[in-house]
Amino acid sequence: GENVGLHLPTLSVQEGDNSIINCAYSNSASDYFIWYKQESGKGPQFIIDIRSNMDKRQGQRVTVLLNKTVKHLSLQIAATQPGDSAVYFCAEISRDSSYKLIFGSGTRLLVRP
Amino acid sequence: SQTIHQWPATLVQPVGSPLSLECTVEGTSNPNLYWYRQAAGRGLQLLFYSVGIGQISSEVPQNLSASRPQDRQFILSSKKLLLSDSGFYLCAWSPGFNQPQHFGDGTRLSIL
Repeated sequence: GENVGLHLPTLSVQEGDNSIINCAYSNSASDYFIWYKQESGKGPQFIIDIRSNMDKRQGQRVTVLLNKTVKHLSLQIAATQPGDSAVYFCAEISRDSSYKLIFGSGTRLLVRP
Repeated sequence: SQTIHQWPATLVQPVGSPLSLECTVEGTSNPNLYWYRQAAGRGLQLLFYSVGIGQISSEVPQNLSASRPQDRQFILSSKKLLLSDSGFYLCAWSPGFNQPQHFGDGTRLSIL
């Protein structure tokens, strides 16, 4: 598959620790945000989403925080496991072009055993 | 549950040859369908999307075309491949606009 992690910012965490992956966006018209996980050779896998009328949403071991004031999005992974190692992308959809998912550049998460 | 299939997983083609990549979705009807390209170490770029049979919208001018002959089938084509067409091609579906898009496992296309 594609080597999606070659030149990406990397976050290295110890197994069991919490991970925080950050994403900044610039379009104030963006009102829907999604986090994807991509493993080598695979397509992006949906993790969690959040709409602009919320500032926090929780899933299983994951939490997404949205700060519209500073246009910042974060993904928190609790008790990080080796299987969490992957490239993580944030993506946004604007209310002006709701068909179009705009992807960020990605962060590679490495989990140390 | 819904599933999305892409094939082939890997393809090596000579410059100037034609291309046909296929994507099918199961377990849903009238999905929105999308083709993306991903360059190494980068995010995804939308190439085409479709809201129904025979309806194709192109996002960027390019050497590729898309078709949707059936509700759950989306095809990416080229008559003559260029070196710059190399990349990782991903198909996705969503129930509608402003909804999560779900991706297949992609085709890695190498042009020689």
